[in-house]
Amino acid sequence: EAGVAQSPRYKIIEKRQSVAFWCNPISGHATLYWYQQILGQGPKLLIQFQNNGVVDDSQLPKDRFSAERLKGVDSTLKIQPAKLEDSAVYLCASSLDLRERRDNEQFFGPGTRLTVL
Amino acid sequence: AQKITQTQPGMFVQEKEAVTLDCTYDTSDPSYGLFWYKQPSSGEMIFLIYQGSYDQQNATEGRYSLNFQKARKSANLVISASQLGDSAMYFCAMRGDSNFGNEKLTFGTGTRLTIIP
Repeated sequence: EAGVAQSPRYKIIEKRQSVAFWCNPISGHATLYWYQQILGQGPKLLIQFQNNGVVDDSQLPKDRFSAERLKGVDSTLKIQPAKLEDSAVYLCASSLDLRERRDNEQFFGPGTRLTVL
Repeated sequence: AQKITQTQPGMFVQEKEAVTLDCTYDTSDPSYGLFWYKQPSSGEMIFLIYQGSYDQQNATEGRYSLNFQKARKSANLVISASQLGDSAMYFCAMRGDSNFGNEKLTFGTGTRLTIIP
């Protein structure tokens, strides 16, 4: 079974530029998550999708960050314009929509390491 | 609000010894789940073990076990017979079950474990 795919793996941009990250979840996984992991910290949820609908985007800086999952499969996270403090690893995760499974494990991709200069 | 505290930034352990990684949590949810993830230098988050708040027995998965003490709000990870491949960052995470369907994980700051040959 293929895992969660993310691209690119690394990205270096100047501040005020735009950048986009792509995520392809595990086939059949209805739920998709984007996390931001700043160096030395644990991941923080930015946005959660259930199929193509947003479940939680309370911690997404909506003035500069946007995300979409138009067909309920792959997803794109965009930052426009980027700031220095956006330097982080952006992790995508997916899980089955089995609400009767309490342990509903999240499977993570390898992440995209963003450096903003 | 949920909070996870990991007080050990780093640990060094001799190969083949057992190691305990500490995790305490705080939540107002009556039902919740606790997770441990491993993050090697490659960056991918690997699920290790899950403990439900109403589970009667401590969870075990191979060499991993979770020492769950509900009254003390602690969920320590125990790794038996440590191996060189266990060197990585370890994150404790929590998911509240009060808002069913919102499966956001709240992570701690992590513990960097180094196994010494």
